[in-house]
Amino acid sequence: GAVVSQHPSWVICKSGTSVKIECRSLDFQATTMFWYRQFPKQSLMLMATSNEGSKATYEQGVEKDKFLINHASLTLSTLTVTSAHPEDSSFYICSATFGGGRTSYNEQFFGPGTRLTVL
Amino acid sequence: GDSVTQMEGPVTLSEEAFLTINCTYTATGYPSLFWYVQYPGEGLQLLLKATKADDKGSNKGFEATYRKETTSFHLEKGSVQVSDSAVYFCALRGSGDSSYKLIFGSGTRLLVRP
Repeated sequence: GAVVSQHPSWVICKSGTSVKIECRSLDFQATTMFWYRQFPKQSLMLMATSNEGSKATYEQGVEKDKFLINHASLTLSTLTVTSAHPEDSSFYICSATFGGGRTSYNEQFFGPGTRLTVL
Repeated sequence: GDSVTQMEGPVTLSEEAFLTINCTYTATGYPSLFWYVQYPGEGLQLLLKATKADDKGSNKGFEATYRKETTSFHLEKGSVQVSDSAVYFCALRGSGDSSYKLIFGSGTRLLVRP
């Protein structure tokens, strides 16, 4: 089956620093990648959708200058949390699909997630 | 807006017990419904899905029926195994402008004891 990896699996950083999380599709070309955030005992919340080679589309309430998303190739998307603060501590999950565009009906394949802790 | 509500866990069962995890939804239009499973240390995997009313999704002994009249999509398995221990997420994908987006419930942890 389609495999999606994330790196790192966990990261601890100091307040004010920036952290980059990578999401890779290992055995397929992902035209669309999604970034989710999950708080403890809560559901996954979609943050943004990114299509290869174009700017990400952010969900309402998500600060695009805070959470920078780059989808430079068909196998890699990155999420950079800029000037991280303790309230950004969370579990970040990506998914990828080889469907076309934002309205793809194709199955999303999920990465294992990255736990970010900001001190 | 669209939403999914599922029973809180953890659910603890003995091996070979019957499993039900309740899931209800609120949505406009005609959503598709999904169950995802997350094993420890792994990403979410699609377990089963149903795209229209009265459809039954099934996989690995699990099944769920899309009930429009009760807006429910309860997950069931007749005899659970220790290997079924995981977190289960109910989700919907809306129609129209929201068709790209998966909306998840909060997840239910299942622990199956030998």
